[in-house]
Amino acid sequence: QKEVEQDPGPLSVPEGAIVSLNCTYSNSAFQYFMWYRQYSRKGPELLMYTYSSGNKEDGRFTAQVDKSSKYISLFIRDSQPSDSATYLCAMKPGTASKLTFGTGTRLQVTL
Amino acid sequence: DTGVSQDPRHKITKRGQNVTFRCDPISEHNRLYWYRQTLGQGPEFLTYFQNEAQLEKSRLLSDRFSAERPKGSFSTLEIQRTEQGDSAMYLCASSFDSFEQYFGPGTRLTVT
Repeated sequence: QKEVEQDPGPLSVPEGAIVSLNCTYSNSAFQYFMWYRQYSRKGPELLMYTYSSGNKEDGRFTAQVDKSSKYISLFIRDSQPSDSATYLCAMKPGTASKLTFGTGTRLQVTL
Repeated sequence: DTGVSQDPRHKITKRGQNVTFRCDPISEHNRLYWYRQTLGQGPEFLTYFQNEAQLEKSRLLSDRFSAERPKGSFSTLEIQRTEQGDSAMYLCASSFDSFEQYFGPGTRLTVT
């Protein structure tokens, strides 16, 4: 079993929809949680960086962490065709350097 | 642009040849990381440097792989005697201490 599980999709939604992306993990030592967006054949772009449990909002993006359930989410409001990309969750323990990624969820926002 | 840069962006090589990739991190970042990503998978950690010291290496980093960061600035990743299984996107990232990691555009390697 992988340390981080993420549904690969694809997830197809109409423009303007609220998108929910999720990851589960098994390592209770993970404390820092990140979401990256990756367009085809490009490097990952950092969207959200959160510590421990709780919510964090940045524009149309909201990240949620529930450490008791080992479950993290990224919500995208008012989705746009330009949001079409692969969304990767990543996490790490304390001050460790190595990030552990999910497989990524491919999102398609249609007109 | 002051982001992470990588060179070359694409590399096609024949099996058995050696290849070397370069990464230039964000200038004030003291940590530099190498990851590998294959199609349909998330990036997998290979190794990281704090300044010029290589502090951690993954079991994925076989003896054919070597990485250096000679003066604590840019880094190189060399693969000797390439194999078809080495075909992947090689990603470099940098950070200041253990904070957010910012990725470069990657080097796509194809071994024929």
